[in-house]
Amino acid sequence: EPEVTQTPSHQVTQMGQEVILRCVPISNHLYFYWYRQILGQKVEFLVSFYNNEISEKSEIFDDQFSVERPDGSNFTLKIRSTKLEDSAMYFCAQPLARWYFGPGTRLTVT
Amino acid sequence: QQPVQSPQAVILREGEDAVINCSSSKALYSVHWYRQKHGEAPVFLMILLKGGEQKGHEKISASFNEKKQQSSLYLTASQLSYSGTYFCGTEGYSGAGSYQLTFGKGTKLSVIP
Repeated sequence: EPEVTQTPSHQVTQMGQEVILRCVPISNHLYFYWYRQILGQKVEFLVSFYNNEISEKSEIFDDQFSVERPDGSNFTLKIRSTKLEDSAMYFCAQPLARWYFGPGTRLTVT
Repeated sequence: QQPVQSPQAVILREGEDAVINCSSSKALYSVHWYRQKHGEAPVFLMILLKGGEQKGHEKISASFNEKKQQSSLYLTASQLSYSGTYFCGTEGYSGAGSYQLTFGKGTKLSVIP
């Protein structure tokens, strides 16, 4: 079964620091997504990426967030200046025959 | 707009049955069901595409009524391993023209011996 992979699995950072979360998709499919889940809450849409551009972003995805495809295959989600409320699980996802979610990166901001 | 799930939580004894419902106010292209264990990524259970479609996965099945914009997940003869939070995800076009998978708030299922 194909897999979306993410690194790191867990990141601890201090408030105000920059973090970069990485994701390796299954294929070079045009659509790619980032989701977030605060502990105990639902999975929330952050941003969709289509054909190397942001297609849509939620109100959560403010100016502190950015997404890139630095080497044409992998994707990154960057948070420039982390806040305590950014602590959450971050999932990347690809819609193929069905939606494939990565295992997630647990971000802890202290 | 996120789908609405009910109930929010349910406790079952092993062997009992449960139904989790998911409804949406928007027209749906498909419904996806996931189960999530604490600290892990959601695990895909099944996707339903057509109105009235039913699917099964071991002792877990689901139905999708496209006209009513509703789906139900049926868990029969529950096992301890069924414990977790169940999310429905509804796929549809957002206002900005892209399609998204939008999740409900989840139903926490606890199966006890």
